[in-house]
Amino acid sequence: DAKTTQPNSMESNEEEPVHLPCNHSTISGTDYIHWYRQLPSQGPEYVIHGLTSNVNNRMASLAIAEDRKSSTLILHRATLRDAAVYYCILRDSRSNFGNEKLTFGTGTRLTIIP
Amino acid sequence: GAGVSQTPSNKVTEKGKYVELRCDPISGHTALYWYRQSLGQGPEFLIYFQGTGAADDSGLPNDRFFAVRPEGSVSTLKIQRTERGDSAVYLCASSLIPVRGGELFFGEGSRLTVL
Repeated sequence: DAKTTQPNSMESNEEEPVHLPCNHSTISGTDYIHWYRQLPSQGPEYVIHGLTSNVNNRMASLAIAEDRKSSTLILHRATLRDAAVYYCILRDSRSNFGNEKLTFGTGTRLTIIP
Repeated sequence: GAGVSQTPSNKVTEKGKYVELRCDPISGHTALYWYRQSLGQGPEFLIYFQGTGAADDSGLPNDRFFAVRPEGSVSTLKIQRTERGDSAVYLCASSLIPVRGGELFFGEGSRLTVL
């Protein structure tokens, strides 16, 4: 799977928007971009995923660059409960039975300042 | 329950002992994954089941680690002759369809401590 690069840590003030960047310059045309987050002492939790177009759901928005070499996870109004490690992961969308795993990096640790 | 259930939540054992960790996936989910997470690191893939068969076991570190899913539902991760380096949180996840388009649902993990 292609590699992603994320900042080790970020801070944001409560109730403000947060933009979490992810670089994936070697992304292939068939790679989905997935975001997961992991709250303290819990398993990872799905946030959002996309292929080419920007995506919105109740948790966040995903903005994908036109050349797909980078993406940004946007939390529109951060709360203290959003403090977590956020993982950006690429996953090949081609049907390749037996190659279904997500490969996690070390992610970005997001701290929310009250 | 509605989510992925893992037992035990905590396991302390001595070096050289045998350990079993259980995962009960969300009902109807055909895909099941095991990951291992050490402190300060992201989850590391161990093995993936599609139904009863292990479709990808490339992440198992050595032959002391083995996993089964005999009826395509509950899975057990088995670790023989445990070593101190096996200490980690073992995470299980399941999904309804292969992850290419679908999301993984993770349990809270089983924390294994090998003394």
